[in-house]
Amino acid sequence: AQSVAQPEDQVNVAEGNPLTVKCTYSVSGNPYLFWYVQYPNRGLQFLLKYITGDNLVKGSYGFEAEFNKSQTSFHLKKPSALVSDSALYFCAVRGSNDYKLSFGAGTTVTVRA
Amino acid sequence: DAGVIQSPRHEVTEMGQEVTLRCKPISGHNSLFWYRQTMMRGLELLIYFNNNVPIDDSGMPEDRFSAKMPNASFSTLKIQPSEPRDSAVYFCASRGQSNTGELFFGEGSRLTVL
Repeated sequence: AQSVAQPEDQVNVAEGNPLTVKCTYSVSGNPYLFWYVQYPNRGLQFLLKYITGDNLVKGSYGFEAEFNKSQTSFHLKKPSALVSDSALYFCAVRGSNDYKLSFGAGTTVTVRA
Repeated sequence: DAGVIQSPRHEVTEMGQEVTLRCKPISGHNSLFWYRQTMMRGLELLIYFNNNVPIDDSGMPEDRFSAKMPNASFSTLKIQPSEPRDSAVYFCASRGQSNTGELFFGEGSRLTVL
């Protein structure tokens, strides 16, 4: 079975400060890892993914994530947060031989001006 | 590209009525997923189609739920009869033929069953 844990329901940061959203996973075989963002009353938008290769993955809107195999983590980061980054963030995982994408419960990010 | 298109965006109906949600995936995508999002359960996979064939419907809650994909450009999710506990946002997502590809989500259909 595969699963994703996002240990923080909410993350609050000041604009201009670094932002980190945590994610740990459990999956059989090689993991395919994804981050999505959801704004109010909208669908999920893809930010970035890790499939293989460099552990540091860069994505949309200045976000990046670091894959750590030993810690089974895939934390999302942004060096300098913007108020417009306030949204709900989902981490997701599936095995390389699986089609089913499992999502975490989501983390609400609030960036205050 | 227009993205994944879902309709209706909002649906309010009374208990016992039939509800049909529609989805047009991105052209050329051969995988289609229906998800349901609620505060209590988060995102749940309901059904997965590959090349228009249902592969996994283990997430469909009950026999009241059914889904079809008659062709590569159209899918429906039907609830008959609807119940208040079906109230949720239903998302359709599609993926291209690459196994490493990400899902592209529609804007969702918000269903309220009174």
